[in-house]
Amino acid sequence: KNEVEQSPQNLTAQEGEFITINCSYSVGISALHWLQQHPGGGIVSLFMLSSGKKKHGRLIATINIQEKHSSLHITASHPRDSAVYICAVKETSGSRLTFGEGTQLTVNP
Amino acid sequence: NAGVTQTPKFQVLKTGQSMTLQCAQDMNHNSMYWYRQDPGMGLRLIYYSASEGTTDKGEVPNGYNVSRLNKREFSLRLESAAPSQTSVYFCASNGRGFYEQYFGPGTRLTVT
Repeated sequence: KNEVEQSPQNLTAQEGEFITINCSYSVGISALHWLQQHPGGGIVSLFMLSSGKKKHGRLIATINIQEKHSSLHITASHPRDSAVYICAVKETSGSRLTFGEGTQLTVNP
Repeated sequence: NAGVTQTPKFQVLKTGQSMTLQCAQDMNHNSMYWYRQDPGMGLRLIYYSASEGTTDKGEVPNGYNVSRLNKREFSLRLESAAPSQTSVYFCASNGRGFYEQYFGPGTRLTVT
């Protein structure tokens, strides 16, 4: 069993829909990251959080440390949001990130 | 700032050939990382360097070597390429105390 599990693996939505991607982890962490990988391959960091909630434009990330769970929400989705979204955790001990397999999101016009 | 740069972007090797993937960052970051990304699997850490002069093995180090040439540059070498090393390779870096990682554009390597 992976230390970081994402669901769903694939998600198709219509433009304008509200989207939720989930991430569960099994280890103690000091931080959780959400990353976005576009079809061209580049990876960018969207959020880094250790508690609560963060918002950037139409993207919202939440984390529940007790339940070892995080969600990434996209409001009013748009075709340009189509990408792979990756959850990664930094364990309390150690300096490295452990990555989930990613969620492929496709938003159709 | 260019951020994290990688060369080459694409490479095709024959089994047994060697090559070096280059990575450089201009953000004065202490830590640098090499990952590989394969279909159906998350990014996996090959090697990392927590600071200039130090390197450590990650999850999948076999078949690779690294050099932290200076604070800016961190190279990954395949001494004798194998088809199992066909993958997309990403270099990343982050500053001291900051966990947010900045990624290079990736190198798509095919070993035939």
